[in-house]
Amino acid sequence: QVQLQESGPGLVKPSETLSLTCTVSGGSISSYYWSWIRQPPGKGLEWIGYISYSGITNYNPSLKSRVTISVDTSKNQFSLKLSSVTAADTAIYYCARCANSGYDCFDYWGQGTLVTVSS
Amino acid sequence: QAGLTQPPSVSTGLRQTATLTCTGNSNNVGYQGAAWLQQLQGHPPKLLSYRNNNRPSGISERFSASRSGNTASLTITGLQPEDEADYYCSAWDSSLSAWVFGGGTNLTVL
Repeated sequence: QVQLQESGPGLVKPSETLSLTCTVSGGSISSYYWSWIRQPPGKGLEWIGYISYSGITNYNPSLKSRVTISVDTSKNQFSLKLSSVTAADTAIYYCARCANSGYDCFDYWGQGTLVTVSS
Repeated sequence: QAGLTQPPSVSTGLRQTATLTCTGNSNNVGYQGAAWLQQLQGHPPKLLSYRNNNRPSGISERFSASRSGNTASLTITGLQPEDEADYYCSAWDSSLSAWVFGGGTNLTVL
C-alpha cells in the first residue's frame, strides 16, 4: 500500500520561502507523477503543480513564478518550495500521486501538513 | 483562476439518492471528464472516481459518475450518515495545462 507523508516547518515568516518534502513509502516513486495541492482553512482545494519521476514539471499558472518542485528518486521523495509567501499562502499542504503521465491524479494522498505564514 | 462550478450545498434524505453536479467547459470537463473526491471533516480527500468514471478499488458501487457535455455528475445511492462530507470535482484543463478543482459541495444527509 502506497503511503505519502508530508514534512516541513509549520510556521513560515512573510516574504520567506516555504519548503516541504513528501516521502513515498510502500512503492517506488518511479513511473508516476507527484502533485502538491493546498487547502486554506475552511476553503477548497488548489492544485500547485506536479513533477514526474524523471523531473518533468508542470505548475499552476497562478503560482508558477513562485513555485519549484523537485524530486529525489534515491530517497523516494519530492519537494515543494514556494517563495515570497504571504498570509494568503496559509493552508494545509497535501502531496498526492498521479498516474498516466499526470492525467489521472489524486489516487493516493498524504495526511497533509498545516503551514501558517505569520511573523 | 477559472475553476469548475459546483453547488455549495446539497441536502438529501437518508437512504435516498443524491446527485452532485460539476460544470466546466470544453477545455476541462468537456475535454476528458472529471474526477470526483470525497473529503470527510478533518481528513485528506479520497478519490471516488477517475476521469473515465471508473471507481478505484475499494470504492462502493453506491458512488457512480457520469458526464454529459461540459457537466459531470456524481450520483450517490442509498445515502448513509457517513456520506456527509465535502465533494470535489477536478479536471485537467487543456488551455491552462493545469488541474482545476470545483469549489466543493457540502452534502448533508437528513
